[in-house]
Amino acid sequence: GAGVSQSPSNKVTEKGKDVELRCDPISGHTALYWYRQSLGQGLEFLIYFQGNSAPDKSGLPSDRFSAERTGGSVSTLTIQRTQQEDSAVYLCASSHGPVYEQYFGPGTRLTVT
Amino acid sequence: DQQVKQNSPSLSVQEGRISILNCDYTNSMFDYFLWYKKYPAEGPTFLISISSIKDKNEDGRFTVFLNKSAKHLSLHIVPSQPGDSAVYFCAASEGGGADGLTFGKGTHLIIQP
Repeated sequence: GAGVSQSPSNKVTEKGKDVELRCDPISGHTALYWYRQSLGQGLEFLIYFQGNSAPDKSGLPSDRFSAERTGGSVSTLTIQRTQQEDSAVYLCASSHGPVYEQYFGPGTRLTVT
Repeated sequence: DQQVKQNSPSLSVQEGRISILNCDYTNSMFDYFLWYKKYPAEGPTFLISISSIKDKNEDGRFTVFLNKSAKHLSLHIVPSQPGDSAVYFCAASEGGGADGLTFGKGTHLIIQP
């Protein structure tokens, strides 16, 4: 079956532009997670969705970051007025509800110039 | 403050020998621990997990050991194979996973022929 997919795989954008990253979770997975991995760092948790709702958005790095999930499926992570420190690989994961084995997508590599 | 630490950025092991990857944590509320494997340009792949009520979990060539009193876990791979060369991330979770996983920075395992 299909795994978690993310698009685009690579995105280069100019500082100050907005970007939208997309995640398609595994069909039937109710839980969806966004992480980012900066160069030489581990994965940093950003936000979790159970269904369409995100109980806690405090993991988002700043108010320039927002995320939504519609229809209990696709999720988008939007970064407004991008900054160079936003450059990272953004990873999405899904699971069967709030259990522990999360399945990751290949990530979107974002480069802000 | 890093709650999950992998103090060895890299590890080189001869093919056929045992690989031991180590992980330390500081948060005593963590109740579930996982190991993920990551190849370049791919998302992390779930490998093996262990609940805090156990001290060992085995799956084929992979065994995870948990020492709660020392807040330490380790992943043993035996025998090591060339395809095991990858970055290994230790991750931990508390209270059901809604806060996402907390990852270490990873250890790059290199299997020498």
